[in-house]
Amino acid sequence: QVQLQESGPGLVKPSGTLSLTCAVSGGSISSSNWWSWVRQPPGKGLEWIGEIYHSGSTNYNPSLKSRVTISVDKSKNQFSLKLSSVTAADTAVYYCARVDIVVVPAAMVYYMDVWGKGTTVTVSS
Amino acid sequence: DIQMTQSPSSLSASVGDRVTITCRASQSISSYLNWYQQKPGKAPKLLIYAASSLQSGVPSRFSGSGSGTDFTLTISSLQPEDFATYYCQQSYSTPGFTFGPGTKVDIK
Repeated sequence: QVQLQESGPGLVKPSGTLSLTCAVSGGSISSSNWWSWVRQPPGKGLEWIGEIYHSGSTNYNPSLKSRVTISVDKSKNQFSLKLSSVTAADTAVYYCARVDIVVVPAAMVYYMDVWGKGTTVTVSS
Repeated sequence: DIQMTQSPSSLSASVGDRVTITCRASQSISSYLNWYQQKPGKAPKLLIYAASSLQSGVPSRFSGSGSGTDFTLTISSLQPEDFATYYCQQSYSTPGFTFGPGTKVDIK
């Protein structure tokens, strides 16, 4: 079955750029799925960051859009997140997730059915 | 923007109890509602998608209902492994997802 694994630096300096990669195993990133990033600040809830399709199409959370770039590398079967101009508020556990879709009467519902274990990123000097 | 609220924010229950968690959307989202369970230090796990469809491998004591703006997640008989935080998530306003603030279920 599909598994996801996040990787990247655990410590980023303020005003720097956070860079993470999500490796996809047990399946192809070129499948009919979107691939998402979600984060969770310490002791808080979940926030969707953005998503990418294997074609390179992206969607971003409007609140982060100006600082986020998500890219895909089909040759390595992975996708990546870059978040620029980070502050302490960007300290969080970052998860990657697969987005699947189900067709129900009059609707196409998207949901996140496979998640990575998460990686902690701390923004500090 | 669609806002999601959950109630209660936390609850204490005993093994064997029937537990109901409510999620409300600020506007109608039809059945574009998913539920996740998260245990401390772990990634969220999908329980219910499209408001009432049980994800494969999830015990049948979990069920979801609702449409429009009001949704519920029910655990028919709480088990020790069910103590966790539960999040609802809307996917109506795609692209994009919004999570509810979470409901923490702990041991009474």
